[in-house]
Amino acid sequence: DGGITQSPKYLFRKEGQNVTLSCEQNLNHDAMYWYRQDPGQGLRLIYYSQIVNDFQKGDIAEGYSVSREKKESFPLTVTSAQKNPTAFYLCASTWSRYSNQPQHFGDGTRLSIL
Amino acid sequence: AQTVTQSQPEMSVQEAETVTLSCTYDTSENNYYLFWYKQPPSRQMILVIRQEAYKQQNATENRFSVNFQKAAKSFSLKISDSQLGDTAMYFCACYSGAGSYQLTFGKGTKLSVIP
Repeated sequence: DGGITQSPKYLFRKEGQNVTLSCEQNLNHDAMYWYRQDPGQGLRLIYYSQIVNDFQKGDIAEGYSVSREKKESFPLTVTSAQKNPTAFYLCASTWSRYSNQPQHFGDGTRLSIL
Repeated sequence: AQTVTQSQPEMSVQEAETVTLSCTYDTSENNYYLFWYKQPPSRQMILVIRQEAYKQQNATENRFSVNFQKAAKSFSLKISDSQLGDTAMYFCACYSGAGSYQLTFGKGTKLSVIP
């Protein structure tokens, strides 16, 4: 079955450490997204990518970085510059950023500070 | 910039009853689409229903239907015959088909179905 796989399900970060969240999709979608979810805040866009080797900042990109070396993969790195990284992170994809089709979501990664 | 507002942080409903979740939005675009997503305790985001702004007819999906009032920029979700499995966070979202091409979410409504 096609879908989006996020790993790990739970992740812990030490002070000053960078951590990387994985997102893989086999839906053949061009567009991929990273969202951050905090209690009472809904979903906020961190980064998005329409094609390989191209990505754009969303509303809350500071302290995060991404890469898009393969169509299927869009990993998110939470850097030490992100001072409040504790949150639930969701990866999503759709056919195209310019498509009105609904986004498909992974099961998420919960990141906590040790 | 577009905004989506869900004014009910929490709601509850008795099993088998009907409940309506409210959503208002604001966008400067004429070409936009509206969505309701469900996030159960498992945290997976699941599409519930979708509405094209250019369609006057309200979308329905089994027990789920919307009341789309374009002039009022209102997009409420009605759940009929509520079931225990409907317990979840519900997010309203607006996609702009021009300009930003961005999906904007409301802050969510936590719905509890009581047996």
